[in-house]
Amino acid sequence: DIQMTQSPSSVSASVGDRVTITCRASQDIRRWLGWYQQKPGKAPKVLIYDASSLQSGVPSRFSGSGSGTDFTLTISSLQPEDFATYFCQQADTLPLTFGGGTKVEIK
Amino acid sequence: EVQLVESGGGLVQPGGSLRLSCAASGFIFSDYYLDWVRQAPGKGLEWLGRTRNKANNYTTQYAASVKGRFTISRDDLKNSMSLQMNSLKSEDTAVYYCSCYSYASGKDWGWGQGTLVTVSS
Repeated sequence: DIQMTQSPSSVSASVGDRVTITCRASQDIRRWLGWYQQKPGKAPKVLIYDASSLQSGVPSRFSGSGSGTDFTLTISSLQPEDFATYFCQQADTLPLTFGGGTKVEIK
Repeated sequence: EVQLVESGGGLVQPGGSLRLSCAASGFIFSDYYLDWVRQAPGKGLEWLGRTRNKANNYTTQYAASVKGRFTISRDDLKNSMSLQMNSLKSEDTAVYYCSCYSYASGKDWGWGQGTLVTVSS
């Protein structure tokens, strides 16, 4: 199975901060990577697909980059509603696998 | 907008069966791969299985943990997918999500809101 290693596991930030989360795959997954936001008790929400494509309806402060094994999610200016857990997921090879998550907390 | 809505969750006794459904809208259903994923209470996400798209003959594949007990089917005329779950165990207790993926550029992915399955006597 492809292992997805996400870092950091948590980050404390303030409204307006730029936040960067990284995800590394244990093997080449080309561009088949998604980023999700999950709030407690809620379903994951797709933010980014195909590593860098913004899902419809998602604010442009979210962006993704990378290909192969190294990927990044950037929130350009953190908003109050962005405090949540973020995780990556590879869709290149079955089984689909997920990163361990990054909790973005209020500083 | 890609939308997926799961239904059919509930309380079931160990050894019992349950059928979950996933209704889709907002995209060309037959073009997409469809998957089921679950999240046990306080745990991470676990992929369960996939049905591929029409171009790939709707082939299915399952995780080892559910192979032989769970069956995925899809109906492209009704834009729906189902998950038949048999021989349920307590460890199958989780929120079940359907998700969809296109391997063509520029096509949104999708994820449903989830349905809770509780296996308990």
